Amino acid sequence: GDSVTQMEGPVTLSEEAFLTINCTYTATGYPSLFWYVQYPGEGLQLLLKATKADDKGSNKGFEATYRKETTSFHLEKGSVQVSDSAVYFCALSVGSNYQLIWGAGTKLIIKP
Amino acid sequence: NAGVTQTPKFQVLKTGQSMTLQCAQDMNHNSMYWYRQDPGMGLRLIYYSASEGTTDKGEVPNGYNVSRLNKREFSLRLESAAPSQTSVYFCASSLKGKETQYFGPGTRLLVL
Repeated sequence: GDSVTQMEGPVTLSEEAFLTINCTYTATGYPSLFWYVQYPGEGLQLLLKATKADDKGSNKGFEATYRKETTSFHLEKGSVQVSDSAVYFCALSVGSNYQLIWGAGTKLIIKP
Repeated sequence: NAGVTQTPKFQVLKTGQSMTLQCAQDMNHNSMYWYRQDPGMGLRLIYYSASEGTTDKGEVPNGYNVSRLNKREFSLRLESAAPSQTSVYFCASSLKGKETQYFGPGTRLLVL
């Protein structure tokens, strides 16, 4: 079945470091791919998305490219800030199914 | 524009008690969802409503019931709470299937 696998956390980085959070997926058909972010004590909010192969989603300095050949959608940011500390979720949506398939989430901790 | 609102924010129940979690959205979305979030398990879909008048089971529906009262409101009921239902519950909505989901702030439920 469809699934999403994320790198386990927590990921701890120093401020201004380069960030990569890996996400790979298995899906039938042509999924849309999403990254959501959850700040402490809040609900999830969409960070970025891509709907077809080779699309690049970007927002707030974060980027992710839809790689069909490697079934991946890795999240990257060139220089992280303390305010980026949060839990990041990768998800996919495919076919006529109304459900999103979620990864387990990756906790990111940025130290000043 | 409030987006997705949930009540209550926090609730403590004793085993066997019942309660209803309320969710409302003001974005004229067709689809609504209930998730639970447990540590290390990401988000799991309990029930969803693709459109007004329809509801369907998600991944973990046992012990829950839902009502799509109208286009705006989607409630989740626990008839006889169990400690295993201790979790954070999120409501979400989307314009239609496969589209971006918008989340409420969550309800923390503790069942003793």
